[in-house]
Formats: sequence, C-alpha cells, structure tokens
Amino acid sequence: AQSVSQHNHHVILSEAASLELGCNYSYGGTVNLFWYVQYPGQHLQLLLKYFSGDPLVKGIKGFEAEFIKSKFSFNLRKPSVQWSDTAEYFCAVNTNAGKSTFGDGTTLTVKP
Amino acid sequence: DAGVIQSPRHEVTEMGQEVTLRCKPISGHNSLFWYRQTMMRGLELLIYFNNNVPIDDSGMPEDRFSAKMPNASFSTLKIQPSEPRDSAVYFCASITTGGTEAFFGQGTRLTVV
Repeated sequence: AQSVSQHNHHVILSEAASLELGCNYSYGGTVNLFWYVQYPGQHLQLLLKYFSGDPLVKGIKGFEAEFIKSKFSFNLRKPSVQWSDTAEYFCAVNTNAGKSTFGDGTTLTVKP
Repeated sequence: DAGVIQSPRHEVTEMGQEVTLRCKPISGHNSLFWYRQTMMRGLELLIYFNNNVPIDDSGMPEDRFSAKMPNASFSTLKIQPSEPRDSAVYFCASITTGGTEAFFGQGTRLTVV
C-alpha cells in the first residue's frame, strides 16, 4: 500500500527565512505528486504538481518542489517566506489507480 | 464550473441523530473521494469511488458510516447514529480522468453534541 510521510509536524520561521518541507512516499509504481495548502479556515488548494518531465516544479506564490526519484522524495521549498504563508501544507501521492494518499500535514507558522 | 460543491457547510446535531453530507463533483470527473479532517488524526481518506463504484472503503471507521454515489453528479456520506467523536470537517474531492489533480470542496463542518 502506498504511504506518504511528512517529516516536520510543525515549523516556525521568521519572515524572509527559507523554507523546506520534507515529503517521502512509498510506492513502487508510477505516481503523480502534489503539494496542497490549507490556509486557516479555508479548504485545501493546490500549490503545485508533478506528473513527468523536469523534476523541479514551480508552483504558485513562489513555491517550488523537487522530485528525486531515487529518494522517493518531493520536498517543498520557498526561498523567502511571508507571514501570509502561515498555513498547513499537505503532500499527496496519486497512483495510476486513481487513489490519492495524503501525508499528515505540516503546520507552518511565520512570525512577522 | 463552480467546482466541487458540498452541503451543508455547517451541521450541528445531537448525538444519535442521522447526518447526511452531500457532494456534487466537477462534471466529467470520474473519481470521487470523501475525507475527514480532525486535529488529532489529520486528513483521513474514508472512501473513494471510481465511475460511481466504491473502490476502497477501508477508511470508513465503523458501520455507522455509509456512502453512496447513485450517479456521476452526486454522492452522499451518511452517519447513523452520529456520535460526538464524529465531529470533524468532512471534505469531498473529485479527480480528473486519469487520476491526476484533485479538486476539493469547501468542506462540511460537523459538530455532534
């Protein structure tokens, strides 16, 4: 069965600090990879996705993620966070069977 | 398209009552998912449908929970009888053909008192 592991449960940063959130998955087949964001009181929104091609994916709001197949990882990065990035971030994996599995989420708090 | 539509947005009910949550997926999406989100357990996949057929319901916590998808444009998640520990936000999501990007509804916040 597929699974997704997010290493950091809660990350606290000051504005302008760099961000990297870890995500590892376990599944032997072809996967599509996603990062979702959930701002306080809102529903999940897609940040970025990887299907194939360039393993470095750029998403909205300055976020990017790199797919490293050999490490089964898809870490999320942002060079300089803002207070408005305070949210919960979910990594997700979709298999070709259409099943979507989410990590437990990482809560990011950015201090102004 | 209006996106994935869930109703109601909020539900407060007494323990023991039946609760029905509704979801209208995006037209043309052939997979539909029900998730539950709580502080303690995070985001849990309850059940997912492909072409209106339940594929994996291993995440459904108990027999009190049931889900149906009578047609491609409508699904329900029912809890009968409801209990306080069922209090959570329930999300519905639909996925484009091929199992790629998931679009989420705004969720139903259920409170069972």
